[in-house]
Amino acid sequence: GENVEQHPSTLSVQEGDSAVIKCTYSDSASNYFPWYKQELGKGPQLIIDIRSNVGEKKDQRIAVTLNKTAKHFSLHITETQPEDSAVYFCAVPGWGNQFYFGTGTSLTVIP
Amino acid sequence: EAQVTQNPRYLITVTGKKLTVTCSQNMNHEYMSWYRQDPGLGLRQIYYSMNVEVTDKGDVPEGYKVSRKEKRNFPLILESPSPNQTSLYFCASSLTSPGDLSYEQYFGPGTRLTVT
Repeated sequence: GENVEQHPSTLSVQEGDSAVIKCTYSDSASNYFPWYKQELGKGPQLIIDIRSNVGEKKDQRIAVTLNKTAKHFSLHITETQPEDSAVYFCAVPGWGNQFYFGTGTSLTVIP
Repeated sequence: EAQVTQNPRYLITVTGKKLTVTCSQNMNHEYMSWYRQDPGLGLRQIYYSMNVEVTDKGDVPEGYKVSRKEKRNFPLILESPSPNQTSLYFCASSLTSPGDLSYEQYFGPGTRLTVT
């Protein structure tokens, strides 16, 4: 199956700074790359995704960039706020409805 | 309100005692999945279903069963639970497959299972 690696596992930033989380994958056939945010005690929630026909997608303070040649995609959060503190997961689909998640990044935004 | 619900939210049981975790969605979604979440391992897919009576194994199916007799329900069955199945379980659903441009996966609130 797909091998998805996510780094870093923990990240602390000062409020207002930027945060970047990177994900690498192994299957070049993948064409959908989502990022999920999981708040304490809740299920993951999709925050942004990108498809393989674009290189970057932005939604206010968050953006995702994709490098298909190098098989990696990254989540960028600018002007971080305390409410951005959560665990973030990347994911890559496999065959059918198989889905492979990264191991997660715990982001702490320090006020 | 559109949502995925799971019951129970918390469960403590003993080794070998059969249990079922229910999952229901009210969005008329075709696709449903079960995941387990363990520290340092992220979420791993257990089983998924692409329609009524159509199920397939995910990455870690051993020790689990599922059924999809109705579109809205996708129960997870542990016939003989063992301590290594202690985990946080999530059910998820989507209207379409990842290849569709409108794809989005919705997760339930989670079920924390402890097997002693």
